[in-house]
Amino acid sequence: RKEVEQDPGPFNVPEGATVAFNCTYSNSASQSFFWYRQDCRKEPKLLMSVYSSGNEDGRFTAQLNRASQYISLLIRDSKLSDSATYLCVVDLTGKLIFGQGTTLQVKP
Amino acid sequence: DAGVIQSPRHEVTEMGQEVTLRCKPISGHDYLFWYRQTMMRGLELLIYFNNNVPIDDSGMPEDRFSAKMPNASFSTLKIQPSEPRDSAVYFCASSLGRDTLHFGDGTRLSIL
Repeated sequence: RKEVEQDPGPFNVPEGATVAFNCTYSNSASQSFFWYRQDCRKEPKLLMSVYSSGNEDGRFTAQLNRASQYISLLIRDSKLSDSATYLCVVDLTGKLIFGQGTTLQVKP
Repeated sequence: DAGVIQSPRHEVTEMGQEVTLRCKPISGHDYLFWYRQTMMRGLELLIYFNNNVPIDDSGMPEDRFSAKMPNASFSTLKIQPSEPRDSAVYFCASSLGRDTLHFGDGTRLSIL
């Protein structure tokens, strides 16, 4: 079993749609969690950290469920510019492990 | 402010040759990570350093791969001898503490 698993997609949605991605992790000792965004042929960049109480940044909401060992990312009112690959990242005592990524394509 | 700087940006070489990838982390950052990205396997952590000391190299695929960090401002990843299956994008990233990872632009490596 992979340490961090994501549905690779692609998710094809129209502009204005709400889309949700999930990510599961296998090691309960994982300490910190993040979502990164990677545009085609570019480097990954931090989108947001994920806190136990859940957190929101504009149209983006991240949730953490430690009991079930999953993380989610919700994007509301999706824009064309949201098209990218979204990577779930888990900090396992210093080792930052990336999921395979979920590809989102927002269409006009 | 300068970000993480990697060189070369692209490398094409024949199998069996030695390949050296270079990375300059952001000044003041104490963690440095080397990742490899392929379509099949995604982003894989190869090795990471804390204060120039290798902490975990369990992701290094085999003895052909080696990494060094002789000082806080420079790291290398070496492949000797290279094989076609080593073709990938290699990213270096640095962070202050275990906070946000800042990635370089990556080195696109093709082994013929």
